[in-house]
Formats: sequence, C-alpha cells, structure tokens
Amino acid sequence: EVQLLESGGGLVQPGGSLRLSCAASGFTFSSYAMSWVRQAPGKGLDWVSSISGSGGSTYYADSVKGRFTISRDNSKNTVYLQMNSLRAEDTALYYCAKTVAGENWGQGTRVTVSS
Amino acid sequence: DIQMTQSPSSLSASVGDRVTITCRASQDISNSLVWFQQKPGKAPKSLIYAASSLQSGVPSKFSGSGSGTDFTLTISSLQPGDFATYYCQQYKSYPITFGQGTRLEIK
Repeated sequence: EVQLLESGGGLVQPGGSLRLSCAASGFTFSSYAMSWVRQAPGKGLDWVSSISGSGGSTYYADSVKGRFTISRDNSKNTVYLQMNSLRAEDTALYYCAKTVAGENWGQGTRVTVSS
Repeated sequence: DIQMTQSPSSLSASVGDRVTITCRASQDISNSLVWFQQKPGKAPKSLIYAASSLQSGVPSKFSGSGSGTDFTLTISSLQPGDFATYYCQQYKSYPITFGQGTRLEIK
C-alpha cells in the first residue's frame, strides 16, 4: 500500500524558512517523480513543484521559483521542499503526491506565514 | 501556461442522478488529464487518469472521456458519498495546472 507522510509544517514569520519532508513507502520510490501541491484555506489546488525520479530534473511554479527548492533522498525514500523568503500568500496545506498526475497523496502538512 | 476551465463551478443534484462535469484546456493536451475527488478535510483522490482510464479501486460509476482540449467526467447513480469537489488537472506540460473545481452538492 502506498503511503505518503508529510511533516515539517508550522507557523513562521514572513521572510522565514521551513523545510517540509514527505516520507514514502509501498512503492519503488526512485522510479517515480514526486510533486508538491498546496491548497490555501477555502481555495483550490495549486501545483508548487515536481522532481524526477533520479532528482536530476526539477520544476517550479513561477510563484515559488527562486524561493523554494525541491530535492529527494532516494536512500531514505523522502522528498523535501525547502521554503525560504516565505510570504503570507504561501499559507496553505501542503500535500506531497506521487507522480505529476497525483496518483497518490499524503494527508498534508499545514504552513502558516504570519507575524 | 495551459489554462484549465471547469464548468459548472457548482452543481446541485439528487441521489440517483447522473451528472457530467466538463473541463476545457486552453491548448491541446492530448489525453494528459486526471480527475480528482476531494471531500472536506481530506486529501484529493485520483479517479481517472489519461483522460479515460479508471484508477484502481475506483468504482465504474465514474467515467472520463475526451482528448485534445475538451474533457468530461460523468458520475452515474449519485450516492451520498459522491457529493464532493471535483478537480481536473493537466500534466502535458509544466507548469502543471488545475481547474478551479466543481462543487457537487445535494439538492
């Protein structure tokens, strides 16, 4: 059974940083791209970033480019999202998803950016 | 960027009804489209991938069709558990983009 468990969310001041983690199990992790998708309170789904199975290719939404960095450690079956220079508009529930087509999703970790 | 436009934004229907939600892409995405169901407080769940392929474990009451720019999700014989928000998403090219969602409510 595929399981994705996000962690690392919390309350941070504007301009601050957080690192989200997503621990995966139940599939051959290194064979699949992984994505981060966020959902602001009461809003729709918003793609943030994706990374190829090897980690050699990364992709970002324009809204986070230059501030967020996606990475993965295939030896630990974990994908990360380093978030710097956080803004109020980054406040959301952040989901980790298997593949770019969202085959499976975690339950999300909440990020609140507020002073 | 490819824009995804869903219609309607909201829909009221009764138990037992058959409903159709549409999704239009601003350019040709072939069949690189997925449909998700999201219930309040829950993560999205994949229903249909490659526009018309049923995800494993999803009941056959859900069906998808379309190619190119126009796509539909049809749900037959609505049950109480089907009332949720539905999203389409294209994965033809980056940035990946979602429709704005269709909220399916009980009439």
